Amino acid sequence: GQQVMQIPQYQHVQEGEDFTTYCNSSTTLSNIQWYKQRPGGHPVFLIQLVKSGEVKKQKRLTFQFGEAKKNSSLHITATQTTDVGTYFCAGPRYGGSQGNLIFGKGTKLSVKP
Amino acid sequence: EAQVTQNPRYLITVTGKKLTVTCSQNMNHEYMSWYRQDPGLGLRQIYYSMNVEVTDKGDVPEGYKVSRKEKRNFPLILESPSPNQTSLYFCASSLGGDSYEQYFGPGTRLTVT
Repeated sequence: GQQVMQIPQYQHVQEGEDFTTYCNSSTTLSNIQWYKQRPGGHPVFLIQLVKSGEVKKQKRLTFQFGEAKKNSSLHITATQTTDVGTYFCAGPRYGGSQGNLIFGKGTKLSVKP
Repeated sequence: EAQVTQNPRYLITVTGKKLTVTCSQNMNHEYMSWYRQDPGLGLRQIYYSMNVEVTDKGDVPEGYKVSRKEKRNFPLILESPSPNQTSLYFCASSLGGDSYEQYFGPGTRLTVT
């Protein structure tokens, strides 16, 4: 069945270091989304990418959607303690109705001050 | 304020005692979903609804029921809870159209003893 895989599962960084998480889908995606879940919180939408090769930036966060629309990445420059949390990617479920998403297992980021 | 609400936020119950977790959204969203989150397994979809009276199974529907009698409400029913249903549950909704953005509720921490 359809799978969305994320690596790494965990990442520990020193504050100020960069961080990247990768998302790979077993199928071509019409779009991909990224969510952040702070410890003890709920997932919060960060961004949606739609176009092949698309790159979007939100301050220190850079999101990319692969040319084949099967992979994506989230890069954080100069991490801060406020970046701590789990980052999930998600894509439309193959053959499913709009709004029906399949999530990766997430990358849990910890930042040492 | 646009939001998804869930109740209760925390629940400890015993095996076999029927329970309902309520979910309500005030954004007039078409799509609603239930997820469970377990360590290392990410967000797994339990059930999904495209509109009133239209629901579909997700990845892990066994032991759960849902109903969508009104657009704003999407309760999750556990007819006979078992310890393996101990988990963190999230309800989410999305508008549809060009955006697949999902809005998550605050979560319900369920423990079944």
